[in-house]
Amino acid sequence: DTAVSQTPKYLVTQMGNDKSIKCEQNLGHDTMYWYKQDSKKFLKIMFSYNNKELIINETVPNRFSPKSPDKAHLNLHINSLELGDSAVYFCASSQDQGSGNTIYFGEGSWLTVV
Amino acid sequence: QKEVEQNSGPLSVPEGAIASLNCTYSDRGSQSFFWYRQYSGKSPELIMFIYSNGDKEDGRFTAQLNKASQYVSLLIRDSQPSDSATYLCAVNRYDMRFGAGTRLTVKP
Repeated sequence: DTAVSQTPKYLVTQMGNDKSIKCEQNLGHDTMYWYKQDSKKFLKIMFSYNNKELIINETVPNRFSPKSPDKAHLNLHINSLELGDSAVYFCASSQDQGSGNTIYFGEGSWLTVV
Repeated sequence: QKEVEQNSGPLSVPEGAIASLNCTYSDRGSQSFFWYRQYSGKSPELIMFIYSNGDKEDGRFTAQLNKASQYVSLLIRDSQPSDSATYLCAVNRYDMRFGAGTRLTVKP
């Protein structure tokens, strides 16, 4: 039973399209995240939610909009996709937002924009 | 200055040797430090974490932390080919920030 699951795993789409990635965690954690890993493998935080409330919103284009319907789910919607959005998007969760918390990652969603 | 810096590698060691991975960070207020391993095409998985200055051992892995020097390291003893992966250093104060990773290859 996967702890942090995200769908779809692979997504190929054309520039200008709108797409969503869904994430669910069954660990009972309060905090969820979206990370982006680019082609150079650099893993960068995008958003953080604690108990459905937005905590961190890094310098991310406003084409990216996260939504947390409840603390077990954090979805990512991307409008007007661009070539530079091609990356692996990882959903993750931790017990809460304290500094000592381990983050657990989902399997990733490979997004390719053509 | 990057928040978390690692040598990108690749680092190549023979099987059975000690692999040494290093990381420096810029935020002196950082409180917890993590090492993740990422196999190609997979998600990062936690190896170990360390909060206090000194060494912490877990099996073949030893994490070392020196807050005064803002330095974290990971030693892998008796390296195995299955240890070949990218190792990500992460530092947590308000949220977890990752380095770019060091690619390790262990040759049989």
